[in-house]
Amino acid sequence: GENVEQHPSTLSVQEGDSAVIKCTYSDSASNYFPWYKQELGKGPQLIIDIRSNVGEKKDQRIAVTLNKTAKHFSLHITETQPEDSAVYFCAAANYGGSQGNLIFGKGTKLSVKP
Amino acid sequence: GAGVSQSPSNKVTEKGKDVELRCDPISGHTALYWYRQSLGQGLEFLIYFQGNSAPDKSGLPSDRFSAERTGGSVSTLTIQRTQQEDSAVYLCASRYSLAGVRNEQFFGPGTRLTVL
Repeated sequence: GENVEQHPSTLSVQEGDSAVIKCTYSDSASNYFPWYKQELGKGPQLIIDIRSNVGEKKDQRIAVTLNKTAKHFSLHITETQPEDSAVYFCAAANYGGSQGNLIFGKGTKLSVKP
Repeated sequence: GAGVSQSPSNKVTEKGKDVELRCDPISGHTALYWYRQSLGQGLEFLIYFQGNSAPDKSGLPSDRFSAERTGGSVSTLTIQRTQQEDSAVYLCASRYSLAGVRNEQFFGPGTRLTVL
């Protein structure tokens, strides 16, 4: 089955710096790659996603890149702000196969220091 | 509200008791998922519903776990004879499932289950 590895597990940056989180996946059939942000005591919230037919997607300060050949995808947050502090999860799914249940990485705790 | 809701938000139970966790998905969302998040761990898939049917139960950890969905809406996750290792946050997500369209899953706030 699918396995998703996520690095680093913790990341501390200064406000205004960039943050990069990387994930690898094992199943070449995966075709959907979302990123979720989870704040303490809340459920995960989608911040950006990418489909397998796209190599890069950007939404304001957030961007995701996908390398299908290498089976890895990355989240880039620019001009970080204290409110970006949270746990970020990457995930992979095959919406044509197992009906889209997400396989998650272990998460990255991002701390943005003011 | 228009989001996914779950109840209760917190549940403390004694080992050996049964518990029921409820999920109200977003209206019109035909796909519903249950996940479990243990302390310091990622999210682990439990079961998937399409309408009232559960074509994928592969993530249920034991036969003490079961789930049902009625009316294509509300879902209940039942854990029988709870064990301490069942302590976790149980998350529900729903998705508007349309063939060929890969839509996002919206998560509820979760139910934090503590088994003493």
